[in-house]
Amino acid sequence: EPEVTQTPSHQVTQMGQEVILRCVPISNHLYFYWYRQILGQKVEFLVSFYNNEISEKSEIFDDQFSVERPDGSNFTLKIRSTKLEDSAMYFCASSAEGVNTIYFGEGSWLTVV
Amino acid sequence: KQEVTQIPAALSVPEGENLVLNCSLTDSAIYNLQWFRQDPGKGLTSLLLIQSSQREQTSGRLNASLDKSSGRSTLYIAASQPGDSATYLCAVNTGGFKTIFGAGTRLFVKA
Repeated sequence: EPEVTQTPSHQVTQMGQEVILRCVPISNHLYFYWYRQILGQKVEFLVSFYNNEISEKSEIFDDQFSVERPDGSNFTLKIRSTKLEDSAMYFCASSAEGVNTIYFGEGSWLTVV
Repeated sequence: KQEVTQIPAALSVPEGENLVLNCSLTDSAIYNLQWFRQDPGKGLTSLLLIQSSQREQTSGRLNASLDKSSGRSTLYIAASQPGDSATYLCAVNTGGFKTIFGAGTRLFVKA
């Protein structure tokens, strides 16, 4: 069964460093998302991406964050100048259509120290 | 603003029991509602998706219902098994690209 894959599974970074989280969405999907889950809290929407541009973003997704689809298969989330409160599980997801079943990856644990 | 509440927060049942997990929405303007399963430290596995025009969906031992008028959804699990132990998340899309999640119900099925 097709799946969303994410790398790395776990990353520890120093505060202030830049981090890039990578995702390979399901191949025929057109809509891509990043969500995050701080330990013990709800899953929160960060951003959606369609047709090579951001289609919607939350108030969490400020100038510190950026997304890119550098080629036909990868989708990345860049976090500039990481802060302690950025420590969370970051989930990539994709869907065939904008409001259809969303498929999530296994997540990337980010720990900022 | 749409908010999703799940009750109970945690549930422990003996193996074989049928159970119901509840999800309440503050806004009945729903495009679709999706139930997910999350194992500890893992990703989200989609279980069932209900479109706003539908009242229920079934997959194996799982049945999800949606009552838009009351803003409620339930996930029914029949003949629970220890392997069903996980956190179950309710998530709603109101027509944009954002899906809003509840805090989940942690289920433990005792053998």
